[in-house]
Amino acid sequence: LAKTTQPISMDSYEGQEVNITCSHNNIATNDYITWYQQFPSQGPRFIIQGYKTKVTNEVASLFIPADRKSSTLSLPRVSLSDTAVYYCLGGETGANNLFFGTGTRLTVIP
Amino acid sequence: GAVVSQHPSRVICKSGTSVKIECRSLDFQATTMFWYRQFPKQSLMLMATSNEGSKATYEQGVEKDKFLINHASLTLSTLTVTSAHPEDSSFYICSARDPSTVSTDTQYFGPGTRLTVL
Repeated sequence: LAKTTQPISMDSYEGQEVNITCSHNNIATNDYITWYQQFPSQGPRFIIQGYKTKVTNEVASLFIPADRKSSTLSLPRVSLSDTAVYYCLGGETGANNLFFGTGTRLTVIP
Repeated sequence: GAVVSQHPSRVICKSGTSVKIECRSLDFQATTMFWYRQFPKQSLMLMATSNEGSKATYEQGVEKDKFLINHASLTLSTLTVTSAHPEDSSFYICSARDPSTVSTDTQYFGPGTRLTVL
């Protein structure tokens, strides 16, 4: 399991693109990078997962450079409803355990 | 995507009583489910891995006699907090991995159960 480091908090204005970077220097060859979103008093929700290069879905993009020691979650044109905590996790596909780091508390300002 | 439910969503109990929390996978079978605990303003902490038909695996520091886990079917795992005390007040969240989506290895989380022990 890769140990991950993220900024504790970020603020952004509505409509802006937000990039949250996660460091995972000890990522293993078989580890994937997964991002979850959590609203207060709710369970985490899967956002996106990737192994390398770029992955995009309907809500976000994930950029992973060639050395895979970091990754960046990109949220296009955030709205107030994107205010949440975002967790970056590194782990091997099929591994049972997920260990959550501190996460990044994103606050979207009107 | 796969749906995981929890019941109850919120429970308040007196100190010394036991509380059971249910976790269900609604549209898939889960041989493995996970239980997490989250204190206010903190991250999720994995408590135990629930295995269908066998004993749960507990993380270091988690008392197995206090947090009883039963995974009697492929869609249901229960966590019982025995002799609850105020320090057990927390947000309990379960998750399950959908084997049919193993290529993406996503875990699906329940909505959580807020336990308050008076």
